[in-house]
Amino acid sequence: GQSLEQPSEVTAVEGAIVQINCTYQTSGFYGLSWYQQHDGGAPTFLSYNALDGLEETGRFSSFLSRSDSYGYLLLQELQMKDSASYFCAARRDDKIIFGKGTRLHILP
Amino acid sequence: KAGVTQTPRYLIKTRGQQVTLSCSPISGHRSVSWYQQTPGQGLQFLFEYFSETQRNKGNFPGRFSGRQFSNSRSEMNVSTLELGDSALYLCASSSPPGGLDEKLFFGSGTQLSVL
Repeated sequence: GQSLEQPSEVTAVEGAIVQINCTYQTSGFYGLSWYQQHDGGAPTFLSYNALDGLEETGRFSSFLSRSDSYGYLLLQELQMKDSASYFCAARRDDKIIFGKGTRLHILP
Repeated sequence: KAGVTQTPRYLIKTRGQQVTLSCSPISGHRSVSWYQQTPGQGLQFLFEYFSETQRNKGNFPGRFSGRQFSNSRSEMNVSTLELGDSALYLCASSSPPGGLDEKLFFGSGTQLSVL
């Protein structure tokens, strides 16, 4: 089917680094985006990888390997405010597909 | 620039009724897409409009419909509401779809409860 798979939950410690993975279940996706959503809030754009490789934006980095149908979001120097859900998303056949989201829990 | 505006913020309806949700995109954005978000299911694509034309539609029944006006504002309509339609409905606007730097800007959503 057409889906993006992510872990449902990840827990990390404040100040640490965490990686959230996203794998494709099928081919034909073009690029990979990442969004953050706090409870009760709207999703906000974090990053987009059109090509293979690493994109860095401050404490957040995103990686894409189209040959491996795999991408990840890397969050460094975790802060309590990073506690949120993170979604990967991609366009396929002109439809925008989202993963079910990864809930990030941060421990003090 | 003002962000994406969705109205109403909350809505309570009963089964069998219909509902219309509104979305005003960021000024200059001509692409609007709609999503249904329920706990555990993430965001599910409903449809996308560009320059008043529906570009594509997700796997939802025909009870879900939408349109886009010449000023890029969009509405979605759900007829014959069912309990399972209770969800957060999100609208997003973007620069022309399919671009290499595609980036969605979301509104705060309309929380629909069907009783």
